[in-house]
Amino acid sequence: EAGVVQSPRYKIIEKKQPVAFWCNPISGHNTLYWYLQNLGQGPELLIRYENEEAVDDSQLPKDRFSAERLKGVDSTLKIQPAELGDSAVYLCASSLGQGHRDTIYFGEGSWLTVV
Amino acid sequence: TQLLEQSPQFLSIQEGENLTVYCNSSSVFSSLQWYRQEPGEGPVLLVTVVTGGEVKKLKRLTFQFGDARKDSSLHITAAQTGDTGLYLCAGVGNNFNKFYFGSGTKLNVKP
Repeated sequence: EAGVVQSPRYKIIEKKQPVAFWCNPISGHNTLYWYLQNLGQGPELLIRYENEEAVDDSQLPKDRFSAERLKGVDSTLKIQPAELGDSAVYLCASSLGQGHRDTIYFGEGSWLTVV
Repeated sequence: TQLLEQSPQFLSIQEGENLTVYCNSSSVFSSLQWYRQEPGEGPVLLVTVVTGGEVKKLKRLTFQFGDARKDSSLHITAAQTGDTGLYLCAGVGNNFNKFYFGSGTKLNVKP
């Protein structure tokens, strides 16, 4: 079974430029997450989708970040314009949505460097 | 404020030593998960514990969920260099599907 697929793996951009990340979750997983992870830290939730609905986006900086999950499958996360402090790993994850027995499966992450 | 506090933050030991890392909170969780993350990779699930007091073993790794479901520990026996990585705990709140991650314990096992 294919895992969570993310692209690109690595991206280097200049500040003020836009960037987009793509995620394909595990087939059949209704819940999709975007996390931000700084080096050596735990992941921090940006947004969570249940099917195509964003049910928790309270931590998403909406002035520059946007996300969508069309048709409840793939998702994109966009930053425009990027700032130096956005340099981090952007992790996509998915789960079946089984309550307290749910398990999150992570992709390998998209590593962003803003220069 | 981190909902889940992990300790120690860093740990460097020799191969063959034993170690324990902790995940503590003042909140009750429906379940708790442990992940290991290697450099350049995403976190990989090690175990899920659901019942208060539950103990699970995965080869040389022993996981325990506190009786009150507020804390957990991970014990590694006879550490190997392949155990090196960032160990993350994540608690599932009563609002299901809400995962709270700890800040991680960075383990380095030296040969």
